[in-house]
Amino acid sequence: DAKTTQPPSMDCAEGRAANLPCNHSTISGNEYVYWYRQIHSQGPQYIIHGLKNNETNEMASLIITEDRKSSTLILPHATLRDTAVYYCIVRVGGNNDMRFGAGTRLTVKP
Amino acid sequence: DAGVIQSPRHEVTEMGQEVTLRCKPISGHDYLFWYRQTMMRGLELLIYFNNNVPIDDSGMPEDRFSAKMPNASFSTLKIQPSEPRDSAVYFCASSQQGRGSDTQYFGPGTRLTVL
Repeated sequence: DAKTTQPPSMDCAEGRAANLPCNHSTISGNEYVYWYRQIHSQGPQYIIHGLKNNETNEMASLIITEDRKSSTLILPHATLRDTAVYYCIVRVGGNNDMRFGAGTRLTVKP
Repeated sequence: DAGVIQSPRHEVTEMGQEVTLRCKPISGHDYLFWYRQTMMRGLELLIYFNNNVPIDDSGMPEDRFSAKMPNASFSTLKIQPSEPRDSAVYFCASSQQGRGSDTQYFGPGTRLTVL
């Protein structure tokens, strides 16, 4: 699977949008971009995934660049409960070897 | 659905003892995964099953580790004998494939401390 690069940490003000970037310059054409997060002392939680098109669900939006070499996870109105480590993962759909990197530690501040 | 259930949530044992971690996947899911998380190595896949059959155990660190899935609703990860370096949080996850989604859903984890 392609490797990803994420900033180690970010801060965001409560109520503002949190934009978490991810670089995946070696992504292959059949690899999806997945986002998970891990709140302290809990198991990782699925957020969203996409292949080429931008995606939105009740939790977040995923913006994938046209060349697919990078993506951004957007939490539109961050709350204190969104404080977590966010993992960007690229993998072939159905490939069960999901490799978690170090992720981005997002801290939402009042 | 109750989600993935793991037990115990915390386990403290002494070096050399046998440790058994348990997992109940989400009903209807046909894949089950065991992960280990440490500060040094992050989150690592140990082994996964499809329809109760082990598919890839290349992440299992050594022979002291074994995993079984006797039926679709139960799996165990056993460490015998345990060592202090096995201290970590162990997560179980499950997924259902073949319906356009292979999202893995994680349990709350078991925090293992080996003294």
